[in-house]
Amino acid sequence: EPEVTQTPSHQVTQMGQEVILRCVPISNHLYFYWYRQILGQKVEFLVSFYNNEISEKSEIFDDQFSVERPDGSNFTLKIRSTKLEDSAMYFCAIIPPAASTDTQYFGPGTRLTVL
Amino acid sequence: SQQGEEDPQALSIQEGENATMNCSYKTSINNLQWYRQNSGRGLVHLILIRSNEREKHSGRLRVTLDTSKKSSSLLITASRAADTASYFCATDAMDTGRRALTFGSGTRLQVQP
Repeated sequence: EPEVTQTPSHQVTQMGQEVILRCVPISNHLYFYWYRQILGQKVEFLVSFYNNEISEKSEIFDDQFSVERPDGSNFTLKIRSTKLEDSAMYFCAIIPPAASTDTQYFGPGTRLTVL
Repeated sequence: SQQGEEDPQALSIQEGENATMNCSYKTSINNLQWYRQNSGRGLVHLILIRSNEREKHSGRLRVTLDTSKKSSSLLITASRAADTASYFCATDAMDTGRRALTFGSGTRLQVQP
């Protein structure tokens, strides 16, 4: 199974602050995804990123959110001005290059707590 | 109901018994995937079944897919205490060609030692 790491594992921030969550895939992946899971709720799709641009985004992914791959390896999710309701687990997922299936492999997640 | 709904919501069994979890979905799909999540942890991929497949096995896992009923089941045989976790099905929609996954609410499985 491809290795995907996420940093930080836990982020505590004040409402209105900006946060950057990072995903570090070990191999050279093309497909990246961000999902979030509010405590006790479903995992929800946020955005997909292919070939260095957004390929799809959900209604949740509004102007407060942005993604980029700044250095060709890390994949970041930025929340510009956090709200209380942004508190959730944020998961990065990838599809390995040359994959024969669409299996998405998830990172361990970042727990974001907005106070 | 929403895309990718599992039932039961919670299941408690004894070690050694089989556990069956069901998932229903609404749209046409390319694939259906099952994931496992231990409390507060990440999602671990278990198995993917394509829309043209009807059954798939992986170790103690058996997944079936019935596209006419838009449903899938996950069977864990000879369960162990370590199987205690939440199990989610996730689908990708065929009509839009999207690969983004839609998750169900999950089944919380408790295996009593």
